[in-house]
Amino acid sequence: EVQLVESGGGLVQPGRSLRLSCAASGFTFDDYAMHWVRQAPGKGLEWVSGISWNSGSIGYADSVKGRFTISRDNAKNSLYLQMNSLRAEDTALYYCAKGGVQLWLTSFDYWGQGTLVTVSS
Amino acid sequence: QSVLTQPPSVSGAPGQRVTISCTGSSSNIGAGYDVHWYQQLPGTAPKLLIYGNSNRPSGVPDRFSGSKSGTSASLAITGLQAEDEADYYCQSYDSSLSGPYVVFGGGTKLTVL
Repeated sequence: EVQLVESGGGLVQPGRSLRLSCAASGFTFDDYAMHWVRQAPGKGLEWVSGISWNSGSIGYADSVKGRFTISRDNAKNSLYLQMNSLRAEDTALYYCAKGGVQLWLTSFDYWGQGTLVTVSS
Repeated sequence: QSVLTQPPSVSGAPGQRVTISCTGSSSNIGAGYDVHWYQQLPGTAPKLLIYGNSNRPSGVPDRFSGSKSGTSASLAITGLQAEDEADYYCQSYDSSLSGPYVVFGGGTKLTVL
């Protein structure tokens, strides 16, 4: 059974940093691209970032480019999102999602339950 | 403002058929990129409903179907049931100059009357 478990969310002041983690199990982690998708309270889904199986290809939404860094550790079956210079508009539930063999074009067939990030003073 | 445009809401009575549109442009759906659909029940994570424009993952009822034409895609739900009440999102890929990006529609809330 595929499982994605996010952690690391919490309340943080504007301008500070936070690191999210996603522990994956139930599939061959290093065969697939992985993504972060967020959902602000009462709003729709917004893609944040994606990383290919070998970290060779990475993409970011314009809203987070230069502030967020995605990474993965295939030995630990884990995905990460380092979030710096956080803003109030980054407040959201952050989902980890399993992509396809390619970084782009494919769907997200499994999602975690999300970890909540609240940016507020 | 989302790159892919969906109606904010649709509704239908039990047993009826409803469709949800997803309109893009020449840099995403119109460029030939696949469209995927997700269902998000209240308080839960999104679930893949349709992938590759018209394919259903194992376990998704055949009441759900997808199609794509030109710069748009559609999700159809037949034999509407109370349990279908949820938010639905389309997703594709965008290759604009500042991209590439994964893009979502703004979401459509389905109300079963």
